[in-house]
Amino acid sequence: AQKITQTQPGMFVQEKEAVTLDCTYDTSDPSYGLFWYKQPSSGEMIFLIYQGSYDQQNATEGRYSLNFQKARKSANLVISASQLGDSAMYFCALDRDNYGQNFVFGPGTRLSVLP
Amino acid sequence: EAQVTQNPRYLITVTGKKLTVTCSQNMNHEYMSWYRQDPGLGLRQIYYSMNVEVTDKGDVPEGYKVSRKEKRNFPLILESPSPNQTSLYFCASSPGTGTNQPQHFGDGTRLSIL
Repeated sequence: AQKITQTQPGMFVQEKEAVTLDCTYDTSDPSYGLFWYKQPSSGEMIFLIYQGSYDQQNATEGRYSLNFQKARKSANLVISASQLGDSAMYFCALDRDNYGQNFVFGPGTRLSVLP
Repeated sequence: EAQVTQNPRYLITVTGKKLTVTCSQNMNHEYMSWYRQDPGLGLRQIYYSMNVEVTDKGDVPEGYKVSRKEKRNFPLILESPSPNQTSLYFCASSPGTGTNQPQHFGDGTRLSIL
């Protein structure tokens, strides 16, 4: 069955430094999509970045980039120049058939940015 | 404003008393989903819907029902709630027009079943 693994329950990073949040996935489908969401303490789910399985380049959105290693089945989120407002839960999600309807989420990583 | 609206935001109720959590989106999205969020487990998909009258089970459908009679609404029904359904619930919608379209989430409903 398709599955997402996030092995870091919690992470600390110093303000202004970069941090990498790990995500590995398991799927046998050749077509899939990977998403990262942020959940601040207020509870809302905020979309950060998307990577398609056929995309040739790693996705980037502002300070967020995705280190996509297809052969290793990993899709790590890199946050550059961390800010205090980056403190939140981060979830990696797999769109299992790449139709945008059938998702599986990882358990999440809680990131704390230290001043 | 484009949004997904869930009601209620908070509910404390007792075992066996039927309840419905409503979800409505104003973006004319094709796809809608329900998730529950539990500590250490992330979000788990309960049901999803590809269009009106088209629904399918997610990973944890037991004890839940859904319906999609109108495109904008996707209520979650707990016919006989039990304490193990105490959780934070999210409704989400997505356009269904492309593979890279993120889901838009509601603000969540915190259910406590005593």
